Amino acid sequence: DVKVTQSSRYLVKRTGEKVFLECVQDMDHENMFWYRQDPGLGLRLIYFSYDVKMKEKGDIPEGYSVSREKKERFSLILESASTNQTSMYLCASSFPPRLVEAEKLFFGSGTQLSVL
Amino acid sequence: SQQGEEDPQALSIQEGENATMNCSYKTSINNLQWYRQNSGRGLVHLILIRSNEREKHSGRLRVTLDTSKKSSSLLITASRAADTASYFCATDGMDSNYQLIWGAGTKLIIKP
Repeated sequence: DVKVTQSSRYLVKRTGEKVFLECVQDMDHENMFWYRQDPGLGLRLIYFSYDVKMKEKGDIPEGYSVSREKKERFSLILESASTNQTSMYLCASSFPPRLVEAEKLFFGSGTQLSVL
Repeated sequence: SQQGEEDPQALSIQEGENATMNCSYKTSINNLQWYRQNSGRGLVHLILIRSNEREKHSGRLRVTLDTSKKSSSLLITASRAADTASYFCATDGMDSNYQLIWGAGTKLIIKP
């Protein structure tokens, strides 16, 4: 089974801190995604990556950046955390490379981030 | 941008009953997917149905797709307490650059 591992289940940070959320997948998937989930809003895509060192903005990239130095690892960075970034963050991966349509996603367990 | 909308927002039924959730969307799609999320956890993929398919089964799950009405339904038969979760539909729109667009979910509670 595909395993997508997020480094922390719960994280509490202060306003202005730099925050790193790490995600690792073990099935050699090409595609990796970062979503945030807020009550009543469903999942919103922050950034995604189809290859190493490649990144594309999703629907809500402002205030975030990402890094993909290795195929299995996709990091989300909050350069200066703010209270409106308090949310559940979900990492996902998928295979194969996008050719025809979006395939199913494999998700990590999520990181509940609280910014105080 | 939110394309899928689930209906109802919340559903509470007795164990053993069937649960039906609906999803409506706005634009033409390549496929539609259903996911389950247990409280505070990540999502788990349930079923993917392509635009040229009308019905798909997986165990106690049955998904239908009506592209003329831009809607899908997820039926869970003989529900169990373990089915308590939130259920999300996600659509791969033809103009969405292969990205899934998510609804806000249906919260399903199965009473023992």
